[in-house]
Amino acid sequence: GQNIDQPTEMTATEGAIVQINCTYQTSGFNGLFWYQQHAGEAPTFLSYNVLDGLEEKGRFSSFLSRSKGYSYLLLKELQMKDSASYLCAALDSNYQLIWGAGTKLIIKP
Amino acid sequence: DADVTQTPRNRITKTGKRIMLECSQTKGHDRMYWYRQDPGLGLRLIYYSFDVKDINKGEISDGYSVSRQAQAKFSLSLESAIPNQTALYFCATSGGRETDTQYFGPGTRLTVL
Repeated sequence: GQNIDQPTEMTATEGAIVQINCTYQTSGFNGLFWYQQHAGEAPTFLSYNVLDGLEEKGRFSSFLSRSKGYSYLLLKELQMKDSASYLCAALDSNYQLIWGAGTKLIIKP
Repeated sequence: DADVTQTPRNRITKTGKRIMLECSQTKGHDRMYWYRQDPGLGLRLIYYSFDVKDINKGEISDGYSVSRQAQAKFSLSLESAIPNQTALYFCATSGGRETDTQYFGPGTRLTVL
């Protein structure tokens, strides 16, 4: 079956760095997405990785290892507004997105 | 103006009623999707459409139907609403290109009593 695993909840301190991990098992693979979702709002696109390695975009970076079925989202210089859920999703061989349940990130002052 | 809009934003209804949720987009995308989101669960795909004449069932289509009236419009219907259909519903669109990034509407919060 197809499956995405990510931690349910994480806590970090304002100004610090946090890494949110995601492992995936899909029928084929055409890329890995990260979305941010504030409570009660729509998910918004953060990043897409299809090749191994690190993609950096400002304070946010995303890493992919296809051989390990593993990705992480790295958030630097955390701000209170980063408190949100972070959704990992893998694109399978039929170009369908398989979604994880999301990681709720709590930022403390 | 928002690229993907949903109406209504909130709806409370009773068991057995027929409900229609509407989605419109100005992004010019061919692909449109309907998801539901429940607390503690990931987004689950209800139906998707790759163009006006192509509609496909997703993971949880039972109890739902859809209509793709035009490239820009995709409606979701609950023929006879039941309480376990209480959820947050999202419409999304994608351009079908290499990355096929999906862009979401603001959501409709539906409560079935």
